[in-house]
Amino acid sequence: GENVEQHPSTLSVQEGDSAVIKCTYSDSASNYFPWYKQELGKRPQLIIDIRSNVGEKKDQRIAVTLNKTAKHFSLHITETQPEDSAVYFCAASGVRTGANNLFFGTGTRLTVIP
Amino acid sequence: NAGVMQNPRHLVRRRGQEARLRCSPMKGHSHVYWYRQLPEEGLKFMVYLQKENIIDESGMPKERFSAEFPKEGPSILRIQQVVRGDSAAYFCASSPRAGGSETQYFGPGTRLLVL
Repeated sequence: GENVEQHPSTLSVQEGDSAVIKCTYSDSASNYFPWYKQELGKRPQLIIDIRSNVGEKKDQRIAVTLNKTAKHFSLHITETQPEDSAVYFCAASGVRTGANNLFFGTGTRLTVIP
Repeated sequence: NAGVMQNPRHLVRRRGQEARLRCSPMKGHSHVYWYRQLPEEGLKFMVYLQKENIIDESGMPKERFSAEFPKEGPSILRIQQVVRGDSAAYFCASSPRAGGSETQYFGPGTRLLVL
């Protein structure tokens, strides 16, 4: 099955700096890679996603890059703000028998220091 | 358009009791997924259902756990004879279609505590 690894597990940055979180996946058939933000005690919220037919996608301060050859994808947050502090999860879709269950990384706890 | 709904939000059970978790997908969504999140860990896929069908239950323990998504009403995840290790947050997600690149929207979760 799919295996998603995520690094780092914790990340502290100064407000205004950039944050980068990296993930690798094992199943070359995976073709959908969402990123979720989860605040303490809340639901995971989709912040950006990328499909395998593109290499990069940007939405204001958030961008995601995908390298299918190397099987890795990254989340970039620029001009970080204290409200960006949360746990971020990457995921990859498992393409099997028509299902599209997501396989999640172990999460990165981002702390933005004011 | 209401999002994914889950109830109860918090559930306390004693060892050996049954836990029933409910999930109502977003309007227009007929695909439901259940995930379990242990404290300080990521989400682990359990089961994927469409109306009246279990499509993939490869992540669900073979014993004590079952799931359904009836023609009418919410999807239900049932845990029989709960043990302390079942304590976790259980999230469901829904999508409008199946397929490897469909966005999944998550509910607020049910936090199960087994005493």
